[in-house]
Order: sequence, then C-alpha cells, then structure tokens
Amino acid sequence: GAVVSQHPSWVICKSGTSVKIECRSLDFQATTMFWYRQFPKQSLMLMATSNEGSKATYEQGVEKDKFLINHASLTLSTLTVTSAHPEDSSFYICSARRQGTSYNSPLHFGNGTRLTVT
Amino acid sequence: AQKITQTQPGMFVQEKEAVTLDCTYDTSDPSYGLFWYKQPSSGEMIFLIYQGSYDQQNATEGRYSLNFQKARKSANLVISASQLGDSAMYFCAMRVPIYNQGGKLIFGQGTELSVKP
Repeated sequence: GAVVSQHPSWVICKSGTSVKIECRSLDFQATTMFWYRQFPKQSLMLMATSNEGSKATYEQGVEKDKFLINHASLTLSTLTVTSAHPEDSSFYICSARRQGTSYNSPLHFGNGTRLTVT
Repeated sequence: AQKITQTQPGMFVQEKEAVTLDCTYDTSDPSYGLFWYKQPSSGEMIFLIYQGSYDQQNATEGRYSLNFQKARKSANLVISASQLGDSAMYFCAMRVPIYNQGGKLIFGQGTELSVKP
C-alpha cells in the first residue's frame, strides 16, 4: 500500500507559540504534497501545494508567513503554524501523490492533526 | 471556475438498502478526474472510486459505483447493500489541473451518511 504518516495526531499549544506538523510518505516517494485544513463537519480546504525542492504554492487567502511549508525531501513535508492563535485551531490533513503516477491517481492521505490553540 | 457541489448535508439509509449521494461539478477543462472519499469519525480519508472525464463506462468498485452523467456534469456515488460501517462523511472531489504540476484536488461540502440498523 501507500502509507502517509502524519505527526503529531493531536497537539495543544498556547497562543503565540509555533507548532510543526510532519507529513511523511513511508513506502513511496512523493514529488507533490498537499496541505488541507478542515473545520468540524465541513469540507477540506486546500491551503498549499508543495513540491520537493521548491517553494510551496499557496491558495488565495492563505497567509504564507503564518503557515510555513517545507518540502525538503521526497518523503517529508512539514507545516509550521507560526504564532498560533485560537482561530488557527482546526484539523490539518496532508496528502501525497506517489512519484511516477498519473495525474488522475488518487492522493494518499495522512490521518490528520488536530490542533487546539488555548 | 472549477467547483464541486454536494447538496445533501445529511442522508439516512436503512441497513442493506442502496443509497445515492449527489455530486455536481463545473469545469471548462475537457480533461478532469472525479473522486469519492470516505471520512469516518477518526478523520482518515479513504479513497473509494475514481472516474475520468474520458472514461466511457461508469466506474465500479465492489459495492460502490459512480453514476457519471457528463452532459449534466454529475458524478453521483451509489452504495449498494449499505452496512453500519458505511456511516461516515463522504466527499466528492475533482482534480483541477496545475500547469506543470499535475493537479490538485478540490472537495465538495460533504454528505454525512447515517446507516440505520
């Protein structure tokens, strides 16, 4: 199978601190990874697309200085929420496209990270 | 602009019966892909089925089938013989092309399916 591991699965932090979320493809290489945000009972909203070795492409309305994305290798992408505030509390999910697969291949998702900012 | 719409926030179905979850889409790109994912309360996203815009036949995967009506721009998911474990959120998604990067997935609002015993 194609396993994507996301860590941590949940985190509580104080307002003003930064939190890093890791997304790893365990048994495949991922040229492209995607970060989504989801509020309870709502849709997944794409935040950014990251390609290994290049800058992430952010969706309109997403603050790139607040949500720092790094895709340093073909198996790891990180999302850092800087100076977190209570309104950043949400469920963050990463997904990855296996290298060499067609554009219409399904994405493989991590299990998500529930962030609570107090 | 590309858009995915799911108009049923919640659906109920009796165990062992079939249920149809609606999905309509809008795109001007002739090449696109449509996906259905299941999200249980645990939060993981489980891929169910895929339909390509050039596919002549409707996709099927076990108890899941996709009723693809290209002219109407709809891609409804049909679940046959519902099981209690089918209770979850269901999302329809469409691949939106990104120049030189393959594509990204955009999701509909989701439908919460509850299977009654």
